[in-house]
Amino acid sequence: DTAVSQTPKYLVTQMGNDKSIKCEQNLGHDTMYWYKQDSKKFLKIMFSYNNKELIINETVPNRFSPKSPDKAHLNLHINSLELGDSAVYFCASSQTGGNSGRASTDTQYFGPGTRLTVL
Amino acid sequence: AQTVTQSQPEMSVQEAETVTLSCTYDTSENNYYLFWYKQPPSRQMILVIRQEAYKQQNATENRFSVNFQKAAKSFSLKISDSQLGDTAMYFCAFMLDYSGGGADGLTFGKGTHLIIQP
Repeated sequence: DTAVSQTPKYLVTQMGNDKSIKCEQNLGHDTMYWYKQDSKKFLKIMFSYNNKELIINETVPNRFSPKSPDKAHLNLHINSLELGDSAVYFCASSQTGGNSGRASTDTQYFGPGTRLTVL
Repeated sequence: AQTVTQSQPEMSVQEAETVTLSCTYDTSENNYYLFWYKQPPSRQMILVIRQEAYKQQNATENRFSVNFQKAAKSFSLKISDSQLGDTAMYFCAFMLDYSGGGADGLTFGKGTHLIIQP
């Protein structure tokens, strides 16, 4: 039973293309996240949604647009892909929402990651 | 802004030995959570252990335990009786708990690559 799943696991594409990564969680969690892990393995948060509402939006190029059709899904769409977008993208979820429009302090559970390679 | 520092890029120990991974963090806040995540070659991020800053007692999870020193802002992970399957990247992470409740996500250190030799 996969808790947090991502598709695809690998994505190879040309510069300038538009691509999407999908994330689904079956844990009944309210909050979902996107993290980026660069080539040096450094992980950084990009976005977070709480019950379909954007609550964290770090300094990320506006070519990246998250979309949450419902609280179990958080997709990441990337326009005009650049070489520097090559990375592993992780989706995560946590149980409840936080207060004051913030993410929760509950433990985050991660998906398997999507390795994006831009040629 | 909070920062997390893992000063050991790589460590190697023999199977069955005990190993300690170091982590320090910088914050002026009092309420927060600390985590260790493991990332094996499969790439999956797996929670190892979680510590609440308001708890003085160190968290333990089977062979994994932490030494949480709040005043020193130190949060080291001890792995006892290390096994080949413990070979992985280990990330220390910090989460601030705002006074109104809620967080801004995880801030990660750069990781320690732990190799368990047979």
